[in-house]
Amino acid sequence: GQNIDQPTEMTATEGAIVQINCTYQTSGFNGLFWYQQHAGEAPTFLSYNVLDGLEEKGRFSSFLSRSKGYSYLLLKELQMKDSASYLCAVRDSNYQLIWGAGTKLIIKP
Amino acid sequence: IAGITQAPTSQILAAGRRMTLRCTQDMRHNAMYWYRQDLGLGLRLIHYSNTAGTTGKGEVPDGYSVSRANTDDFPLTLASAVPSQTSVYFCASSRLGEPTDTQYFGPGTRLTVL
Repeated sequence: GQNIDQPTEMTATEGAIVQINCTYQTSGFNGLFWYQQHAGEAPTFLSYNVLDGLEEKGRFSSFLSRSKGYSYLLLKELQMKDSASYLCAVRDSNYQLIWGAGTKLIIKP
Repeated sequence: IAGITQAPTSQILAAGRRMTLRCTQDMRHNAMYWYRQDLGLGLRLIHYSNTAGTTGKGEVPDGYSVSRANTDDFPLTLASAVPSQTSVYFCASSRLGEPTDTQYFGPGTRLTVL
């Protein structure tokens, strides 16, 4: 079966750095996505990785290792507005997105 | 309209009733999707459409139907609602063929079936 694993919840302090991990087992791989979802709102696109390595976009970076079936999302200089759920999704061989259950990130002052 | 819209925002429905959730996008995306999101679970694909006139089944299609008569609209119908269909429903769209084929989501419909 196909599986995306990420921690259910994480807590971090404002101004700090947090790393959210995602491991996956899918039938094929055609890219990995990270989305942010604030409570009661729609998911919004953060990043996309298809090749191994780090993609940096401002305070957010995403890393991929295809051989390990592993990705992480790194958030720097945390702000209160970063409190949200972070969803990892992998595009499989059928070109469909398989979603993790999401990691709820709580930011404390 | 800017982006992707859904209607209604929320709905309480009696079991056995028929309900259509509406989704419209103005980005001229060729692909559209319906997901449901339940607490503790990832988004699950119900149905999708890669282009107007075609549809396909996702992971959890039973009890749902869709149509794609044109590029912009992708309604989801529950023929006879059951309580297990209580969920938040998201419509999404993307441009197939782009390098990333990123999916963009509507604001969601919160549906409660009693």
